[in-house]
Amino acid sequence: AQKITQTQPGMFVQEKEAVTLDCTYDTSDPSYGLFWYKQPSSGEMIFLIYQGSYDQQNATEGRYSLNFQKARKSANLVISASQLGDSAMYFCAMREGFSGGYNKLIFGAGTRLAVHP
Amino acid sequence: GAVVSQHPSWVICKSGTSVKIECRSLDFQATTMFWYRQFPKQSLMLMATSNEGSKATYEQGVEKDKFLINHASLTLSTLTVTSAHPEDSSFYICSAGAENGGYTFGSGTRLTVV
Repeated sequence: AQKITQTQPGMFVQEKEAVTLDCTYDTSDPSYGLFWYKQPSSGEMIFLIYQGSYDQQNATEGRYSLNFQKARKSANLVISASQLGDSAMYFCAMREGFSGGYNKLIFGAGTRLAVHP
Repeated sequence: GAVVSQHPSWVICKSGTSVKIECRSLDFQATTMFWYRQFPKQSLMLMATSNEGSKATYEQGVEKDKFLINHASLTLSTLTVTSAHPEDSSFYICSAGAENGGYTFGSGTRLTVV
C-alpha cells in the first residue's frame, strides 16, 4: 500500500512567489517523522525540513515551512519567495516509528518544481 | 556535519560483469545503511537495509543474489550488482541513518550497463 502520496507531478511558480507542494501520508504508527528533500538534476538529496508526529508546532527552516495537519495526515511544503535555484524535484518521505535513524525512509513519487523568471 | 562518500559517481560496464558501489561514512559511524534505486523521473525505491555485521534485509521483489550488500564495518557499506544487465541501469544511492533520527545520503552512482 502506498504510504506517501504526492499528487502533483509538476508545478510551476513565478520567481519571488510562494508555492505549496502537497504530501499526504498513511500510517497507523503514532510515532513517525516526515521529511522533505530536494533533488536537483545532479541527483544529490538535499534535506530541507523535518516534522515529528509529536511536534506541536509546524517546522520552519528559512524559506521552507511545513504545513502539518495531523488529523488530515498531510504535510505540505511551503516555499516562500521562490528562486530560480529552487527548480528541482521535491520528495516527501516518511519514517515510521522512532529508533534513531534506523528505520527505513519511504519516499513519495515526487513533484517537479519549475521556477519561472 | 555527517558526510557519506559514495563512489563511483558514474560507471559504465558490459553486460554480464559485476559492479561494486561503495559508501563510506567519513566522520561518523554508520550502523545502518539504506540502499535505494531510482529510475529516470521516478522516486527512490528502497532496495535493502543493512546493519553493520549482519545480513542485509531486502525489500520484496529485490533479488538478494543479484544485489549483494556488505556492511562489514561501521564506516563502509558496499553494493555489488552481479551479472549486470541493461535493465539494471539506474541511479543507486545510499543513505546512512543517524542517532538523531536523520539520514545522510551519498551523492549517488549512475550505472549504465551496455
